[in-house]
Amino acid sequence: NAGVIQTPRHKVTGKGQEATLWCEPISGHSAVFWYRQTIVQGLEFLTYFRNQAPIDDSGMPKERFSAQMPNQSHSTLKIQSTQPQDSAVYLCASSHWGGDTQYFGPGTRLLVL
Amino acid sequence: GDSVTQTEGLVTLTEGLPVMLNCTYQTIYSNPFLFWYVQHLNESPRLLLKSFTDNKRTEHQGFHATLHKSSSSFHLQKSSAQLSDSALYYCALSDGTQVVGQLTFGRGTRLQVYA
Repeated sequence: NAGVIQTPRHKVTGKGQEATLWCEPISGHSAVFWYRQTIVQGLEFLTYFRNQAPIDDSGMPKERFSAQMPNQSHSTLKIQSTQPQDSAVYLCASSHWGGDTQYFGPGTRLLVL
Repeated sequence: GDSVTQTEGLVTLTEGLPVMLNCTYQTIYSNPFLFWYVQHLNESPRLLLKSFTDNKRTEHQGFHATLHKSSSSFHLQKSSAQLSDSALYYCALSDGTQVVGQLTFGRGTRLQVYA
């Protein structure tokens, strides 16, 4: 079992550019979560999917962030018009449906210059 | 909304001394799930402990914690710190309303153990 896979591991963008982050959950896991980690704020929930359907996006900055899960094997987090304050580690986690343990991927470190 | 409060910042200890990291929470729901996640340097968070049973001690890898709903607490303890325990520790809550739900994390406590 390869665990949760996230690509790219590092991304550097210029202010105003778009960034797309990819997550492949553990095979058989039906819940996928996105979190953002910064030194100042710690770990913050962004959004999650269950059986590919969006369930809760209450943590997402509404204007520039969007997430999708087009199939059971991957989810994407897209940030449009990136800003320096978007710089963070973006973590994807997956879980069995009915399981209470979330398994985190290695994260994508985004740096917006 | 839900919130989790942890021992702030950095906790430094000499190897062999006991560890206690505080965690309290707030939620309007009566059956929350509480978790401790540990994150070592350049790694992703991984589950250390979890509980949803009031007043029952849960243990793993030498660490233990007891969920006390009366005081809304879930403190992490270990009798003797090891150098390898140096890491960032997060207390987290799931409100229990969903079979699988998002986690609300505390700010994290960095534990540094010295020889």
